[in-house]
Amino acid sequence: EVQLVESGGGLIQPGGSLRLSCAASGFTVSNNYMSWVRRAPGKGLEWLSCIYSGGNTAYADSVKGRFIISRDNPRNTLYLQMSSLRAEDTAVYYCAGGPQRSGWGQGTQVAVSS
Amino acid sequence: DIVMTQSPLSLPVTPGEPASISCRSSQSLLHSNGNNFLDWYLQKPGQSPQILIYMGSNRAAGVPDRFSGSGSGTYFTLRISRVEAEDVGVYYCMQALQTRYTFGQGTKLEIK
Repeated sequence: EVQLVESGGGLIQPGGSLRLSCAASGFTVSNNYMSWVRRAPGKGLEWLSCIYSGGNTAYADSVKGRFIISRDNPRNTLYLQMSSLRAEDTAVYYCAGGPQRSGWGQGTQVAVSS
Repeated sequence: DIVMTQSPLSLPVTPGEPASISCRSSQSLLHSNGNNFLDWYLQKPGQSPQILIYMGSNRAAGVPDRFSGSGSGTYFTLRISRVEAEDVGVYYCMQALQTRYTFGQGTKLEIK
């Protein structure tokens, strides 16, 4: 069974940094396209970043230069390093991926506020 | 980036009645391999998104057969043959053709 479990969210001041983690089971992260998606309050889903099996990465313009996606193959875990956080980054963050793009985590809340 | 446009954005439905949601893309999602890189997701209240349909018309594992997807190129449709109370939530189409995936605005289905 495909499972994704995120962690690392919390309340952070503007300009601060956080690292989100996403532990996978039931499939191999490094063999799949994996992504991070968020849903801000009152908004729809927004794709943020991805990492391919070969290691290539891509970012949405809204987070490019501030967020970095990575993975730890032995731990089968995906990460999102977020820096220079802004109020508009407040959202629930999901990792997603796996066979037929079927895996979604339960989400982790990030709140950026002073 | 490919722009995804859904309609309607709000969909009140009587239980037992059919429902359909449309999704248009600004570029064709038909790959040279013959697959349409278009998925449908449902985000129920308080839950994470779940996949319903992948590659335009393939029902994901465990998804009831009242859900179906159709279309090709730039126009796609999600149909629910008989809406049930548990189908409430926000439905999204998403293109997976280009590296930077993009979602439609979401369609909120509610029960009348």
